[in-house]
Amino acid sequence: AQKVTQAQTEISVVEKEDVTLDCVYETRDTTYYLFWYKQPPSGELVFLIRRNSFDEQNEISGRYSWNFQKSTSSFNFTITASQVVDSAVYFCALSENSGNTPLVFGKGTRLSVIA
Amino acid sequence: GAGVSQTPSNKVTEKGKYVELRCDPISGHTALYWYRQSLGQGPEFLIYFQGTGAADDSGLPNDRFFAVRPEGSVSTLKIQRTERGDSAVYLCASSLGRGRVYEQFFGPGTRLTVL
Repeated sequence: AQKVTQAQTEISVVEKEDVTLDCVYETRDTTYYLFWYKQPPSGELVFLIRRNSFDEQNEISGRYSWNFQKSTSSFNFTITASQVVDSAVYFCALSENSGNTPLVFGKGTRLSVIA
Repeated sequence: GAGVSQTPSNKVTEKGKYVELRCDPISGHTALYWYRQSLGQGPEFLIYFQGTGAADDSGLPNDRFFAVRPEGSVSTLKIQRTERGDSAVYLCASSLGRGRVYEQFFGPGTRLTVL
């Protein structure tokens, strides 16, 4: 069975600090996809990144970076120089590569960035 | 362009009543998903359509829940004999379709409250 664990329920940081959100996943599939979504206070889930299981290269997009390590089944998300607008709930999710299969989400990490 | 839309945004009903929740996917997206998000939790999969047919309905909690997508576009989630435990935000997502894993784009959700 697939499972995503986000052990950090809530994190508070002061603006401009770096913060890392942890994600650990479980799957028996050798091919799978990992995702991060942001859910701001408005409630709508916003897609951030998709990574397939064969691509372990780290990715950077502006202040965001992702560290995928198959050896530890982790897909961690780092925000550099955090801003108040980064305050949201962040979800890590997993799907099998057998078509457009449903996402299995973690419980999310609520990030509060304080000015 | 237009994103995924869901109506109503809020629905309050009494225990035992029937409700319908509507989802309009992004134009051209053949895959459509329904998820349910309870307070403090990540979204949980309910049902997935590829075109008009339900490709996977394994997430529907019981036979009070049913969903249709008769023309392969708009979908309706139907809940009979609502119970207080059905209270949650119901999210709809759509993606481009089969053949590879595409990111899912989410609507704003319908907040269902069963009194």
